[in-house]
Amino acid sequence: AQTVTQSQPEMSVQEAETVTLSCTYDTSESDYYLFWYKQPPSRQMILVIRQEAYKQQNATENRFSVNFQKAAKSFSLKISDSQLGDAAMYFCALARYNNDMRFGAGTRLTVKP
Amino acid sequence: GAVVSQHPSWVICKSGTSVKIECRSLDFQATTMFWYRQFPKQSLMLMATSNEGSKATYEQGVEKDKFLINHASLTLSTLTVTSAHPEDSSFYICSASIRTSGGTDTQYFGPGTRLTVL
Repeated sequence: AQTVTQSQPEMSVQEAETVTLSCTYDTSESDYYLFWYKQPPSRQMILVIRQEAYKQQNATENRFSVNFQKAAKSFSLKISDSQLGDAAMYFCALARYNNDMRFGAGTRLTVKP
Repeated sequence: GAVVSQHPSWVICKSGTSVKIECRSLDFQATTMFWYRQFPKQSLMLMATSNEGSKATYEQGVEKDKFLINHASLTLSTLTVTSAHPEDSSFYICSASIRTSGGTDTQYFGPGTRLTVL
């Protein structure tokens, strides 16, 4: 079974500051993918960043980066220089071969001006 | 970029009626399509996986006779909620998967359909 745990229901960050969202997972697969998705009030799911488990190098997309600790089964998202538009629900997800995707419970991020 | 559409975006129906939701990949052919359900303030739960021309694979606990999935082409999948009841009221999201270079798949999500059953 694959499970994803997000232990922070809500997080808050000051505009221009940095925030880290936590995610842990469990899987028996050796080959899998990890994702962070953003869901704004429109409910449209937006891919923020993706990490292949076989890659040791942490993925980075502009202001978004991850800290992937495979042995600890941890996959945290760091948002640098937070902007008001970053406010949303953030979901961590795990998938085998990019299919069969399982989502965590989500973290609601608030950005204070 | 890859675009996935859903229609309708919002539907209200009476209890006992059936509702069909369409999911289309607009500018690519999807190897696989997925249907998720999201209750208010909750996460997305995978309901079923469908491949074009074959029967959908349902997750444990999802009634296949109630949630009928038809994947008629590589760009269209439909979810029919049969004999809908108020407890079926939810946000339904589809995604379409495309195989990118290197052999990996990427899922693109539709904007979702809000179903309200009175």
